[in-house]
Amino acid sequence: EDQVTQSPEALRLQEGESSSLNCSYTVSGLRGLFWYRQDPGKGPEFLFTLYSAGEEKEKERLKATLTKKESFLHITAPKPEDSATYLCAVQPYGQNFVFGPGTRLSVLP
Amino acid sequence: DSGVTQTPKHLITATGQRVTLRCSPRSGDLSVYWYQQSLDQGLQFLIQYYNGEERAKGNILERFSAQQFPDLHSELNLSSLELGDSALYFCASSSDRSNEKLFFGSGTQLSVL
Repeated sequence: EDQVTQSPEALRLQEGESSSLNCSYTVSGLRGLFWYRQDPGKGPEFLFTLYSAGEEKEKERLKATLTKKESFLHITAPKPEDSATYLCAVQPYGQNFVFGPGTRLSVLP
Repeated sequence: DSGVTQTPKHLITATGQRVTLRCSPRSGDLSVYWYQQSLDQGLQFLIQYYNGEERAKGNILERFSAQQFPDLHSELNLSSLELGDSALYFCASSSDRSNEKLFFGSGTQLSVL
């Protein structure tokens, strides 16, 4: 069964304190791994797609990396506006997306 | 703004009732997905339509049904509502059959009292 787990469940950082979020997955065949950001009361917003091990994508203070078993979302020098829930999702070949439970990130000023 | 429109934003109803949630996908997107999000279960895939036809089913209850109309908007019908159906219901759209990244609407918050 395709599964996605994310850790930690919640993370509190001081502004400027860099850290990483983890997404571990088991999937029969990975077509793509996706990162989304979700603000309270809103729909998830697409951040990155990664397709193969070793691939990296960057956007502002965020960088996503992918290995054969997990993905990391690195947050460098975060700001309070980076506070959100970050969702990881995998797309197996021929299947629909499977979302992880998310990591709730709080960045304190 | 994702370009996906969902109405209504909030819905309060009683157990046993029936409601309809509506979704208009991004212009040009042929695929529409419905997801349910509750505090204890995360985002759960319900159903996908592609250009008017059902493409995939997830954890959708028999009391729930959906359809996609010729103008590509979609409706999710929830009937015989139970307290446990209270959740955020999201619609998402994507551009093609290969299921590229999803664009989500702002959701409908359903409260069953």
